[in-house]
Amino acid sequence: AQSVSQHNHHVILSEAASLELGCNYSYGGTVNLFWYVQYPGQHLQLLLKYFSGDPLVKGIKGFEAEFIKSKFSFNLRKPSVQWSDTAEYFCAVNPYNAGNMLTFGGGTRLMVKP
Amino acid sequence: KAGVTQTPRYLIKTRGQQVTLSCSPISGHRSVSWYQQTPGQGLQFLFEYFSETQRNKGNFPGRFSGRQFSNSRSEMNVSTLELGDSALYLCASSLFAGALSPYNEQFFGPGTRLTVL
Repeated sequence: AQSVSQHNHHVILSEAASLELGCNYSYGGTVNLFWYVQYPGQHLQLLLKYFSGDPLVKGIKGFEAEFIKSKFSFNLRKPSVQWSDTAEYFCAVNPYNAGNMLTFGGGTRLMVKP
Repeated sequence: KAGVTQTPRYLIKTRGQQVTLSCSPISGHRSVSWYQQTPGQGLQFLFEYFSETQRNKGNFPGRFSGRQFSNSRSEMNVSTLELGDSALYLCASSLFAGALSPYNEQFFGPGTRLTVL
């Protein structure tokens, strides 16, 4: 069965530090890839997505992610985090033959210290 | 444009009871998916409905069921509640079934937090 791994469960950074959250998936076929963010007390919001084309995708709030097919990875990056980035981040995979079903990673809780 | 709405937002039940949760998709969206979010298991797919038909099902026991109405609103039901069913239940809607795409993105609602005592 397919799975999604997020290696960092908790990350603590100071403001202005750079961020990279790892995401690896196990699925041999074509996939769509997503990063979602869940701010405290709020619902899941789409941060960015990859369907095809340029493997470097840009999302909202200065986030970007790079799809490396050979490594089955879709890591999330931000050059300079802000206190308002404190949230839980989820990587998700949607295989082409799985309808609208998303398989999520376990999430990474990011705390940004002011 | 209103987002995905879920009712109720909070629910407390006792073991053995059954519960029904409701989801209204974004206007025009015809596909509804349900997910369970728990601290231990994370976000797990329950099922997907499109045109009143279940299109996809996750690995959950038969106590978890759902349905979709002709107006695309969906309900999920959990019978014989167990303590482990305490979770945030999320509903997501998209325009149509089939693979997600730039023209068929999925939007999540705020969830229903179910506590089983």
